[in-house]
Amino acid sequence: DTEVTQTPKHLVMGMTNKKSLKCEQHMGHRAMYWYKQKAKKPPELMFVYSYEKLSINESVPSRFSPECPNSSLLNLHLHALQPEDSALYLCASSQVTSGGAPYFGPGTRLTVL
Amino acid sequence: GQQVMQIPQYQHVQEGEDFTTYCNSSTTLSNIQWYKQRPGGHPVFLIQLVKSGEVKKQKRLTFQFGEAKKNSSLHITATQTTDVGTYFCVSSGAGSYQLTFGKGTKLSVIP
Repeated sequence: DTEVTQTPKHLVMGMTNKKSLKCEQHMGHRAMYWYKQKAKKPPELMFVYSYEKLSINESVPSRFSPECPNSSLLNLHLHALQPEDSALYLCASSQVTSGGAPYFGPGTRLTVL
Repeated sequence: GQQVMQIPQYQHVQEGEDFTTYCNSSTTLSNIQWYKQRPGGHPVFLIQLVKSGEVKKQKRLTFQFGEAKKNSSLHITATQTTDVGTYFCVSSGAGSYQLTFGKGTKLSVIP
């Protein structure tokens, strides 16, 4: 099984809402990632978890809060977002080895009104 | 991650023509990966190159890693409409999870 799943597929939220994005993989990968992708741009790294511990935070605003409850799950909690946060949010996972290629989920397309 | 420059940004080809996209770095790369993203889709892993001068083939796709590990290319022979999408090269530093995406090459295939 080389699949990363993400829910929901689409999300529309207001600036005062609190919502969460969910990601799951069953490939035994111990590195998990959140990426943000704006239209016509490459994905930009937000967070990396290694062995369920946050190892990289690319100076992401605190209105984005990641969580890794276990080795298969990754969440991204959203609060007080801005319209410019509207984007495709991609989860990925990889083996914990140097340069292990990440496998991406289908993404959550987020619109902030 | 290490910066990679990817060219061209866009490529329009007639179906059946060949296509090549290039990635270049000013520093030596530990490895390079290639992904394809269809319109409205997500990046799909194609291949990883690790060794100097490595060449790998997947049907009509040929991937190369330069001898100095500073450049890479993806060549598609006889393009088909199913090849449409954006192709990204991705690099990472040794032992780093900080993957850096090239800006991508968007391929359009005219039937």
